[in-house]
Amino acid sequence: EPEVTQTPSHQVTQMGQEVILRCVPISNHLYFYWYRQILGQKVEFLVSFYNNEISEKSEIFDDQFSVERPDGSNFTLKIRSTKLEDSAMYFCATSGVGTDTQYFGPGTRLTVL
Amino acid sequence: AQSVTQLDSHVSVSEGTPVLLRCNYSSSYSPSLFWYVQHPNKGLQLLLKYTSAATLVKGINGFEAEFKKSETSFHLTKPSAHMSDAAEYFCVATSGTYKYIFGTGTRLKVLA
Repeated sequence: EPEVTQTPSHQVTQMGQEVILRCVPISNHLYFYWYRQILGQKVEFLVSFYNNEISEKSEIFDDQFSVERPDGSNFTLKIRSTKLEDSAMYFCATSGVGTDTQYFGPGTRLTVL
Repeated sequence: AQSVTQLDSHVSVSEGTPVLLRCNYSSSYSPSLFWYVQHPNKGLQLLLKYTSAATLVKGINGFEAEFKKSETSFHLTKPSAHMSDAAEYFCVATSGTYKYIFGTGTRLKVLA
């Protein structure tokens, strides 16, 4: 069964460093999303992406965040200058055309020290 | 604004007894509703989805959920809990755009 994959599974970084989280979507999916879950809190929407553009973003998704699909397969989330409060589990999700069902990857646990 | 409320943060049941995880939603339109399960160190797996075809939705692993518009509820049930059901369960609603609105999650513990 096709699945969404994410790398790395765990990333540890120093405050102020840049990180890139990667996601490989299900092959025929065209809608991509990032969510995050701070430990003990609910899963929060960050951004949705379609046709090489951001469709929607939350207020969490400020100028420190960016997304792109650089090679037509990987979908990446970049945090330019990480803060302690960026420590969270980051989930990538994808969906196909004509459906609102999203399929989630296993997540990347980001720890900012 | 849309919101999803999961009424119990923790639920404990004995193996072989029924499971009930409660979810209420608030929406200005008729959303799609989902239940996802998250096992430790795993991603979010889709259990079931409600659109509008039927109010009782059957999912994987013996779970089902009933949509009640009058109560704005979408509770998840299973007749007989299994040890492998121990996990965190999330009730999710669509928002009218593409993003999902998550409930806070219910951690299900199954006692032997």
